[in-house]
Amino acid sequence: AQTVTQSQPEMSVQEAETVTLSCTYDTSESNYYLFWYKQPPSRQMILVIRQEAYKQQNATENRFSVNFQKAAKSFSLKISDSQLGDTAMYFCARRGSQGNLIFGKGTKLSVKP
Amino acid sequence: KAGVTQTPRYLIKTRGQQVTLSCSPISGHRSVSWYQQTPGQGLQFLFEYFSETQRNKGNFPGRFSGRQFSNSRSEMNVSTLELGDSALYLCASSLGGLPSTDTQYFGPGTRLTVL
Repeated sequence: AQTVTQSQPEMSVQEAETVTLSCTYDTSESNYYLFWYKQPPSRQMILVIRQEAYKQQNATENRFSVNFQKAAKSFSLKISDSQLGDTAMYFCARRGSQGNLIFGKGTKLSVKP
Repeated sequence: KAGVTQTPRYLIKTRGQQVTLSCSPISGHRSVSWYQQTPGQGLQFLFEYFSETQRNKGNFPGRFSGRQFSNSRSEMNVSTLELGDSALYLCASSLGGLPSTDTQYFGPGTRLTVL
């Protein structure tokens, strides 16, 4: 089965600190794409960052970076200098063989002042 | 460039009725995918349309159907509504290139409540 697992249902972090969200996945493909999406309480799902599996360099977008471990099938998201606006559900997703996104159950992140 | 728009944002229906949801993709995007989001099942793929044709389909009953128009706008229809169809329905658009490499951008969703 093609699955994406997020083992942390909820996390909290103090403003300005760093937090890491975990994600593991299952696939038999050699090349694929991984994504982190953010869904704030307003519900709009926003793309945070994406990683191409054949690229060894970890993707970075401003305060967001990933730690991609292909052999371990691990894809964690690091948020540096956390801000109150980072409070949201974070979903890890992998592109399935048919093109659809396969999502994890999500991690609810709360940034506290 | 305007984002993905979905109408209506909220909808209340009763069991047995049918409902139609609409999605307008980002300009230039030719692929539209639909997802159902519920607290219990999470985010599940319904189907994808590309160039007015259903390209991929998830594991949902035939009561769930969709279509895409020549301007890439898409509609999703659910017939004979059941209580379990209450969910947030998300639409996502993408350029429509190779499915495995395309990036999807989501709309705000339609919250459907079935009474």
